[in-house]
Amino acid sequence: RKEVEQDPGPFNVPEGATVAFNCTYSNSASQSFFWYRQDCRKEPKLLMSVYSSGNEDGRFTAQLNRASQYISLLIRDSKLSDSATYLCVVNNDYKLSFGAGTTVTVRA
Amino acid sequence: ETGVTQTPRHLVMGMTNKKSLKCEQHLGHNAMYWYKQSAKKPLELMFVYSLEERVENNSVPSRFSPECPNSSHLFLHLHTLQPEDSALYLCASSQDPSGGITDTQYFGPGTRLTVL
Repeated sequence: RKEVEQDPGPFNVPEGATVAFNCTYSNSASQSFFWYRQDCRKEPKLLMSVYSSGNEDGRFTAQLNRASQYISLLIRDSKLSDSATYLCVVNNDYKLSFGAGTTVTVRA
Repeated sequence: ETGVTQTPRHLVMGMTNKKSLKCEQHLGHNAMYWYKQSAKKPLELMFVYSLEERVENNSVPSRFSPECPNSSHLFLHLHTLQPEDSALYLCASSQDPSGGITDTQYFGPGTRLTVL
């Protein structure tokens, strides 16, 4: 079983729509979680950190379900600029385990 | 903008060449990392340096040789690479050398390497 698994998508949504996707992780001892955003041929950039049950930052909401070992990311009122690949990242000590990413495309 | 810089941004090399990738962080962090990102695959951790000491060598072939002369600089020396080593090589840094739960990694722009 992979350490971090994500639905690769792509999720194609119109501007203004809400899109949500999940990430599952295998290590029940994992303590912190992150969503990074990666644009095509660019480096990953931190979007949100998740340490407790969830986190909200503007249009972005992350939820953590420890019992089922998944993290979700919800994007409200999608913008064209939200088109990117979203990487789910799990922190096990100093080692980050990355998912392969979920691609979101927002169309006009 | 990113406090982690990488040079060169693009590199094409033959299998017999020797080259080095350079990473510099301007964030005052204590840990630095090398990752490999191949197409359609998750980032793979290669090496971790904490306070200039290597704490992780993730079963990386010896044709990749890291060097960390100080907490701000990290190198990846390359020799006799294979075409399958073509990938995006990303450097990252973080504040906490022990990797606490709030420790966050910040990435450089990467070096896109092509091995012919």
